Amino acid sequence: AQKITQTQPGMFVQEKEAVTLDCTYDTSDPSYGLFWYKQPSSGEMIFLIYQGSYDQQNATEGRYSLNFQKARKSANLVISASQLGDSAMYFCAMREGGSGYSTLTFGKGTMLLVSP
Amino acid sequence: DADVTQTPRNRITKTGKRIMLECSQTKGHDRMYWYRQDPGLGLRLIYYSFDVKDINKGEISDGYSVSRQAQAKFSLSLESAIPNQTALYFCATSDFLGGANTGELFFGEGSRLTVL
Repeated sequence: AQKITQTQPGMFVQEKEAVTLDCTYDTSDPSYGLFWYKQPSSGEMIFLIYQGSYDQQNATEGRYSLNFQKARKSANLVISASQLGDSAMYFCAMREGGSGYSTLTFGKGTMLLVSP
Repeated sequence: DADVTQTPRNRITKTGKRIMLECSQTKGHDRMYWYRQDPGLGLRLIYYSFDVKDINKGEISDGYSVSRQAQAKFSLSLESAIPNQTALYFCATSDFLGGANTGELFFGEGSRLTVL
């Protein structure tokens, strides 16, 4: 089974609207971390936001927020007030375990296009 | 200068050639990783190293080898390149997990390899 599932290969949104990018995960470890990265057309990987499994509050970073629903094993990224510069590929990733000796597993990504 | 530097950034080679991708970092992190990105497949882990004396295979290590020459240097080799190794390769580093450290990956700018 896939550890990280991103079901939306592509999403379209108009500028200034909010958009939600879906991510579900699969783990039996009670300690884990969830990450979102952005990859613009230039290719670099940009860290956006992090949510720990024991965090009580949903993570927020500026216009990015993570809608963390633990029971449903989902960690959707919400981008508010979309901008043209948000057009990019977005990856969800998970670190399993709290020992520190684990790696990140990535989903297949969602391509977001923001139109004027 | 970038904290995580990959060389070369672009390389075109022929089937059967030996290729080395190099990664160096100034972040002082012990942990280093090599990922491969293919369209529609996300990022997949090739090899990783938690310290200078540690080397581990990832999800897709066949056809690749690595060398951890120092804390700051981690090289990926393709002993005999084949066309299906055409991909975007990323080196990444991370700090230990704990305190404020989430295990976030810090990526290099990527090395685009084409095998003809």
